[in-house]
Amino acid sequence: EVQLVESGGGLVQPGGSLRLSCAASGFTFSSYWMHWVRQAPGKGLVWVSRINSDGSSTSYADSVKGRFTISRDNAKNTLYLQMNSLRAEDTAVYYCARAYEDIDYWGQGTLVTVSS
Amino acid sequence: NFMLTQPHSVSESPGKTVTISCTRSSGSIASNYVQWYQQRPGSSPTTVIYEDNQRPSGVPDRFSGSIDSSSNSASLTISGLKTEDEADYYCQSYDSSNPVVFGGGTKLTVL
Repeated sequence: EVQLVESGGGLVQPGGSLRLSCAASGFTFSSYWMHWVRQAPGKGLVWVSRINSDGSSTSYADSVKGRFTISRDNAKNTLYLQMNSLRAEDTAVYYCARAYEDIDYWGQGTLVTVSS
Repeated sequence: NFMLTQPHSVSESPGKTVTISCTRSSGSIASNYVQWYQQRPGSSPTTVIYEDNQRPSGVPDRFSGSIDSSSNSASLTISGLKTEDEADYYCQSYDSSNPVVFGGGTKLTVL
């Protein structure tokens, strides 16, 4: 069974940093591209970032470029999102998602709240 | 950058059929596959349609997807509506410059 379990969310002050993790199991992690997608409270889905299967290529939404860094450790079957210079508008549930051609499985999400 | 526009909400009665549209603002809808995701309240999204009209295993055949080049839009049709279908539905596509673009979501009420 495919499982994606996010962790690392919490309350952080504006300007602070947080690192999210996504532990994958039930499939060959190193064969799949991975994404981060976020959802602000009561709002829709917004794509954040993606990384290819071996970690050599990454892409970011303009809203997070230069502040967020996606990475992965295929030996540990884990995806990461390093978030720096956090702003109030980054407050959201962050989902990791698996993709072969397209996104097919999603984790349960982890809530990040940016507030003083 | 292109946008995908969905109606904010739709409603229909149990047993009926509903169609949710997703209109692409620029570029051809047929150029890149469209996916549809269902998100029930308090849950993470799940895939109900991929590659325009393909259903993942476990998704009932009451769910179907299509594209219409004349209106540059995709559609998700749910027939034989059940109360459990009440959820938010998101379309998603991409192009060479935009890896993932979501529509704004449609709230389906089954009343």
